[in-house]
This record gives sequence, structure tokens and C-alpha cells, in this order.
Amino acid sequence: SQQGEEDPQALSIQEGENATMNCSYKTSINNLQWYRQNSGRGLVHLILIRSNEREKHSGRLRVTLDTSKKSSSLLITASRAADTASYFCATVRSLNNNAGNMLTFGGGTRLMVKP
Amino acid sequence: EPEVTQTPSHQVTQMGQEVILRCVPISNHLYFYWYRQILGQKVEFLVSFYNNEISEKSEIFDDQFSVERPDGSNFTLKIRSTKLEDSAMYFCASILRERMNTEAFFGQGTRLTVV
Repeated sequence: SQQGEEDPQALSIQEGENATMNCSYKTSINNLQWYRQNSGRGLVHLILIRSNEREKHSGRLRVTLDTSKKSSSLLITASRAADTASYFCATVRSLNNNAGNMLTFGGGTRLMVKP
Repeated sequence: EPEVTQTPSHQVTQMGQEVILRCVPISNHLYFYWYRQILGQKVEFLVSFYNNEISEKSEIFDDQFSVERPDGSNFTLKIRSTKLEDSAMYFCASILRERMNTEAFFGQGTRLTVV
């Protein structure tokens, strides 16, 4: 089964610095999504990149996708203390019989941004 | 903004008891999911549900688990005889249109503690 794996597992930076998190996966995908989770809370969708896209921006977020290497990266620029959270990539593939998609999450990167 | 709501936010139950976790997906969404996250670990897929039936389930989703959408709005996960290892956060998610590469909307989760 496919699996998104993030690295690093933990990242600690100073406010204002950029944070880069990587995700690798094993099988073909429809799209790849990044989610954020504050401690003990739900998953919040950040950005989606389709399999035919290479880069996407949303505010301070920049996502890249390299399907030949089966990898993606999430860059948060000019980080803030409020960006402290866990970040997960989720690979998305179609289920049979038009029964929808399945998201498979990686282990996540715990980001701490120090003020 | 529409959201997925889950109740209760926290449930404590005795080992061997049955629990029902409730979710109200976003009203015009078509695809529904349950995921779980054991403390500090990755988010694991349990089951997907479409057109009033299970479309895919993981190895975790054994005979102790069942899902229902009894009234067209609620989406429930039942664990018949809870075990200590069922302690986790359980997340419900829904998606509007699979083929349009749309995001999944997650609820805030139910923290299940089996004692």
C-alpha cells in the first residue's frame, strides 16, 4: 500500500525563518494534500496539488510535487509562532467503482516556531 | 463556513463496552470517512462510505467495527466491544466531489479512552 512519509519528524526554527517539510510516497496518486493539526485538534486542509502540477502557492505556503521521484515538499515562508503545529501530507488515490478517493497520511512533521 | 461536527468530543468507556461515535458531515457531501490517530502516531484510515455502503476498509476495521448513515445526516462509527488499544482520536471526514480533486473536511475528533 502507498504511504506518505514526512521528514524531518521534528523541526524547530526561529520566527521569521522558512520551514521546509518533505514527503515521499510509493505508488501513483491523483493528488497530494497537506494538512495541519494543532495539538489534540482536528486536521485542517492547507493545500492540494494535482498529479499534473509541479508547484502551487497559497499565501506563505509553497508546495512542490515531483511525481518521478514520488516526493513533495511544503515550504512555509516567514514562519510565525502561530505556525507551530504538526503537518501531514496525504496521498490520494481513486477507489474502484467510482466509490471515491482514499487519503493515506504520513507520520507528520512536528514544527515548532520559537518567538 | 460549513463544517463537519463530531460528538462527543471525549468519551471514556470500560473495556468490553460498546461505543458509538457520531458525525454530522457537511450536508451536500457524498463521501464519508473514519480515521483514527493513536496518541503521537500517524493518522490511520479505517473506512470509507459512499452510496450507503462501505467502499473500502482497512485491516484495522475488523468485525468489531461498523458504520451507519441511518438518517441521511448522521454518520456513526460503532465499536462493539472496546479494547484498550482502541484508545485514540477518531476523526470523521467528508468530501463533496471526488473527481474534482477536492479537499477532505475533517471534524475536530472524538477522543476515546478505554479503561
